[in-house]
Amino acid sequence: DQQVKQNSPSLSVQEGRISILNCDYTNSMFDYFLWYKKYPAEGPTFLISISSIKDKNEDGRFTVFLNKSAKHLSLHIVPSQPGDSAVYFCAASTYGGATNKLIFGTGTLLAVQP
Amino acid sequence: GAVVSQHPSRVICKSGTSVKIECRSLDFQATTMFWYRQFPKQSLMLMATSNEGSKATYEQGVEKDKFLINHASLTLSTLTVTSAHPEDSSFYICSARRDSHTNYGYTFGSGTRLTVV
Repeated sequence: DQQVKQNSPSLSVQEGRISILNCDYTNSMFDYFLWYKKYPAEGPTFLISISSIKDKNEDGRFTVFLNKSAKHLSLHIVPSQPGDSAVYFCAASTYGGATNKLIFGTGTLLAVQP
Repeated sequence: GAVVSQHPSRVICKSGTSVKIECRSLDFQATTMFWYRQFPKQSLMLMATSNEGSKATYEQGVEKDKFLINHASLTLSTLTVTSAHPEDSSFYICSARRDSHTNYGYTFGSGTRLTVV
């Protein structure tokens, strides 16, 4: 039962353009969402997060949008750079509490072409 | 910033032997540590959650007798793959969380590539 899904396994974007990565979830109890970047044979690196009380959070070139009614979130990267090429995972959890844990999506491989 | 050290980064072992993977939080105390497994081109699957001084909580389908987790201190958790078989070959990643009451502070180790031959 995949509670967090990223339906696009890969995405190719030209340098300077916008990259949009999508993520859908099924568990309505999730109320905190995170995006991670991962290179092969390395652990994930935190990018940006958003709680369910917001619908947008921005940090530099990265913006995350949350649509709770659709159980959908997206990560926008603009402008895209070749160094952004990596696998991007969205993750979800319930906010706070000693037992919360991250559930990861299936990942999207982003390739930014020079 | 928070740093999590995972060791070894790569290990090859013979079928039937046991392998121990260490996860250390270097500059903070981790109340909770998590162990993930990643198959090629797949997501990170949570295996278990460990709290210092207590038994680990395993996810459904994960064999607790095969994947032994010890969290003896606030800075160290270990995962031992017992009687390893080729199907246990995978990429294992640990994560440490500083504060049990927020979602901030999930820091991941660099992972361990286990190959069982």
